[in-house]
Amino acid sequence: LAKTTQPISMDSYEGQEVNITCSHNNIATNDYITWYQQFPSQGPRFIIQGYKTKVTNEVASLFIPADRKSSTLSLPRVSLSDTAVYYCLVGDLRGYSTLTFGKGTMLLVSP
Amino acid sequence: GAVVSQHPSRVICKSGTSVKIECRSLDFQATTMFWYRQFPKKSLMLMATSNEGSKATYEQGVEKDKFLINHASLTLSTLTVTSAHPEDSSFYICSASSNRRSYEQYFGPGTRLTVT
Repeated sequence: LAKTTQPISMDSYEGQEVNITCSHNNIATNDYITWYQQFPSQGPRFIIQGYKTKVTNEVASLFIPADRKSSTLSLPRVSLSDTAVYYCLVGDLRGYSTLTFGKGTMLLVSP
Repeated sequence: GAVVSQHPSRVICKSGTSVKIECRSLDFQATTMFWYRQFPKKSLMLMATSNEGSKATYEQGVEKDKFLINHASLTLSTLTVTSAHPEDSSFYICSASSNRRSYEQYFGPGTRLTVT
């Protein structure tokens, strides 16, 4: 599975857009990129998943450049409740492959 | 949809006893379930993968005789921590995946185990 690198932490203020970038230099052709959010003492929650270009859903956007060696999770107008750890994962999800969680990015949103 | 539950949410047990944690997929059939362990301020670490009706596959370093996993049906997997010790105290999280949602794993809320 491709290893991922993310910033350990990020700070933001309410109402701002937050972009969290993840590096995955050795991503394979069949690998997808998935982002999860985790609050303390809770299980991770699926945010978004993509393979290339841009994916958008009701909570976030995922930008993936042509070389797919990195990806950026974009959270529009964050609120205090977006304070959480965000994990970027890369893996072949065609079957039931395992997920390897990195250290994640701790996002702190302040008033 | 895609809801995964765990029971209990918290459990405290004494050293030497065994504890069973249940993981259920409430609205879909989970052919595969995964068990993770998370220590404070650390990331999730995969312990084992279980497919319905077959033996679990354990990650390196995880004792299969200590962490018994049973996946008897398409909606239920159990993790039993046998002869628990204080160092087994952790946050245990399961996730489930199905044929229709093979691109996504849905995680349970986790179980906080404290061994005294």
